[in-house]
Amino acid sequence: SQTIHQWPATLVQPVGSPLSLECTVEGTSNPNLYWYRQAAGRGLQLLFYSVGIGQISSEVPQNLSASRPQDRQFILSSKKLLLSDSGFYLCAWSYGQGNQPQHFGDGTRLSIL
Amino acid sequence: SQQGEEDPQALSIQEGENATMNCSYKTSINNLQWYRQNSGRGLVHLILIRSNEREKHSGRLRVTLDTSKKSSSLLITASRAADTASYFCATDGGGGSNYKLTFGKGTLLTVNP
Repeated sequence: SQTIHQWPATLVQPVGSPLSLECTVEGTSNPNLYWYRQAAGRGLQLLFYSVGIGQISSEVPQNLSASRPQDRQFILSSKKLLLSDSGFYLCAWSYGQGNQPQHFGDGTRLSIL
Repeated sequence: SQQGEEDPQALSIQEGENATMNCSYKTSINNLQWYRQNSGRGLVHLILIRSNEREKHSGRLRVTLDTSKKSSSLLITASRAADTASYFCATDGGGGSNYKLTFGKGTLLTVNP
């Protein structure tokens, strides 16, 4: 069966510090991968998605970036965090064909001080 | 802009009652999906209904889709305290193989024991 892992579960970072959140998927090959951010009481905002190694599509211009160095690894990064980067970050995967359900990790709660 | 909008924003019922949540969307779709999110956790896929389907069942869940009104409803019958969660609809925006989903802000369902 397929599993998705996100870490860390919680993170407290000072303004201006770098960020690296990692997501890995097991039990499937060539998945589509997604990074979302969820503000309190709101829906999910798609940040990045990837349909293959090295292929990243950005949905929202901001100081975040994503990379996919391996087929089942998706990394969300920032060189310099802003207060507005606080939120709940969720990674998800889906099968490669379109119109498929997405499967989510348990998220990272990021607080910027 | 939000593709899916859930209604109501919050719903509180007693155990054993039925819960109905609605979703409206703006553009054409290939399918519409419903997800559940327990507090502080990732989203869990519940059900996918395709644009050529009008109704779908899964256990105590019943989803309807009216593409002429661009709306969907999720009915949870005989609710339990464990059904307490946020429920989101998500749409794919139509077109060809569309990997992206747009989520609404969700309905917070509270089932009181």
